[in-house]
Amino acid sequence: KAGVTQTPRYLIKTRGQQVTLSCSPISGHRSVSWYQQTPGQGLQFLFEYFSETQRNKGNFPGRFSGRQFSNSRSEMNVSTLELGDSALYLCASSLGHAGLSSYEQYFGPGTRLTVT
Amino acid sequence: GNSVTQMEGPVTLSEEAFLTINCTYTATGYPSLFWYVQYPGEGLQLLLKATKADDKGSNKGFEATYRKETTSFHLEKGSVQVSDSAVYFCALSSRGGGATNKLIFGTGTLLAVQP
Repeated sequence: KAGVTQTPRYLIKTRGQQVTLSCSPISGHRSVSWYQQTPGQGLQFLFEYFSETQRNKGNFPGRFSGRQFSNSRSEMNVSTLELGDSALYLCASSLGHAGLSSYEQYFGPGTRLTVT
Repeated sequence: GNSVTQMEGPVTLSEEAFLTINCTYTATGYPSLFWYVQYPGEGLQLLLKATKADDKGSNKGFEATYRKETTSFHLEKGSVQVSDSAVYFCALSSRGGGATNKLIFGTGTLLAVQP
């Protein structure tokens, strides 16, 4: 079974631009979560989607947004990029939300975003 | 709020040495606990998990026991190999108060194993 895939793997953007990152979960998984990883702040939760609905949101400004499609694929968007948005963005998928029996999360390889 | 505290790294060991990476947590309710490993240039891989007190998670020679009385989930391995060199993250997922998969991570511990 194919794992979580994220595209693109690497991105270089300029301050003020916007960017869209994509995540395809493991087949059959309905929950997708996004995390930001930086050397200074570590791993921080961005948002979580289940069946196209945002279930939870982390403490990030409104420039960060996301969505999930009917096939469970998810995208996140960052508008008006700042230098501090440079990070590894990780997507994780699981079978369902914590109310169901399976909630182990499986991570993709990440998208490395560099803002110049 | 919920949080995870890990021992500071880097941890440098010789091959076949015993490994312990300490992890303690603060959480309401009854969290599930996880160890993830990240190899250079890669995403996170689930190493092991425990979902209730006294559960022992194990995988690839690594073990961790969910200790509610000490709010700890220390990672151990009896004999490390050079291939175990990576960053290890302790994490919790709180199931109390609603349905969420949100993981709260520790800061990570870099393990370097020398031949």
